Amino acid sequence: KAGVTQTPRYLIKTRGQQVTLSCSPISGHRSVSWYQQTPGQGLQFLFEYFSETQRNKGNFPGRFSGRQFSNSRSEMNVSTLELGDSALYLCASSLDPRSSYEQYFGPGTRLTVT
Amino acid sequence: KNQVEQSPQSLIILEGKNCTLQCNYTVSPFSNLRWYKQDTGRGPVSLTIMTFSENTKSNGRYTATLDADTKQSSLHITASQLSDSASYICVVQTTGGYNKLIFGAGTRLAVHP
Repeated sequence: KAGVTQTPRYLIKTRGQQVTLSCSPISGHRSVSWYQQTPGQGLQFLFEYFSETQRNKGNFPGRFSGRQFSNSRSEMNVSTLELGDSALYLCASSLDPRSSYEQYFGPGTRLTVT
Repeated sequence: KNQVEQSPQSLIILEGKNCTLQCNYTVSPFSNLRWYKQDTGRGPVSLTIMTFSENTKSNGRYTATLDADTKQSSLHITASQLSDSASYICVVQTTGGYNKLIFGAGTRLAVHP
């Protein structure tokens, strides 16, 4: 079974631009969560989607948004990029996040904002 | 406030030695506690998941313990290998909402030959 895939793996953008990151979950997984990881803050929860609905959201500004498609693939968008948005963005999928189901992480997208 | 604190922040050990990483949490209500291993520049990989009723869980050379009364967990690594060099992240899931995972800051382990 293929793992969680994220594209692109690396991205360099300029301040003020916008970016879209993509995540394909493990086949059969309906829950996709997004996280931002920086050296200073560690892993921080962005949002979670289940069956195309955003069910949970972290404390990030409205510039961060996402969506999930009917095939469970998810995209995350960041508008008006700031230098502080430089981070590793991780996506994770699971069968059902309401219980102790395993959560599988993708390799991440390394975003650098210059 | 739900928090997960890990210690030490970083650790250096020699290959073949054992080590123990600590995790203290103040998360309520508690659903489960997870340990992840994250290699540099890669996504975290799950090592163990423990629910309230589980005290110990092993995954090869990794053994996690959980004391739900004192809200403490430890991850013991036996006979360390160079490939164990990574960050180890303790994560507690609360039942307060969908996919509510509270992440610790991690312990960075370096295994030297």
